[in-house]
Amino acid sequence: GAGVSQSPSNKVTEKGKDVELRCDPISGHTALYWYRQSLGQGLEFLIYFQGNSAPDKSGLPSDRFSAERTGGSVSTLTIQRTQQEDSAVYLCASTLTAKGGEQFFGPGTRLTVL
Amino acid sequence: AQRVTQPEKLLSVFKGAPVELKCNYSYSGSPELFWYVQYSRQRLQLLLRHISRESIKGFTADLNKGETSFHLKKPFAQEEDSAMYYCALTSAGSARQLTFGSGTQLTVLP
Repeated sequence: GAGVSQSPSNKVTEKGKDVELRCDPISGHTALYWYRQSLGQGLEFLIYFQGNSAPDKSGLPSDRFSAERTGGSVSTLTIQRTQQEDSAVYLCASTLTAKGGEQFFGPGTRLTVL
Repeated sequence: AQRVTQPEKLLSVFKGAPVELKCNYSYSGSPELFWYVQYSRQRLQLLLRHISRESIKGFTADLNKGETSFHLKKPFAQEEDSAMYYCALTSAGSARQLTFGSGTQLTVLP
């Protein structure tokens, strides 16, 4: 009965490396979101998955960012060729239905790109 | 385009004083407004949503469509209210993504 979980909690990487961030939403939640929380930009939407529909990728900042959601559950956010400006806390959230309501947030993954 | 504005980055009040965190929005359709809160070292969590019309932890927020505002108020602030507060909106009746304001860091002084 746990909430949204994310791993790793912290990730330090070198510029140019690829990273994968994982999100486990609350079981049964149909919608899953990725957001980024950074000092200069606040909380920004990245990508949204709803059931079996095509994801809304309108918030992804560049083509180095991609995400997938397997089996309607776990999601992975991949950042290729990381840059220092990618340093941020990456938050995942889920919600129960397509009719909206409360989004439940995970604890976040703090990414630091050296 | 939709936008949420929180004009105060930092707000300090004394314990027992009233507090108001301002939020203004722009949205062309029918919005649903939320206040989320993040206490120190905790995850972001929902405080209020306008359609519930509830009072949570003594906080209330009224949606004013004429002024496009959704200010958060509490008559008597407590030290445990110190946190980062985010106003957010989405399209009503949908599970679309949230658009967040930049947040207000509230500090309640003893």
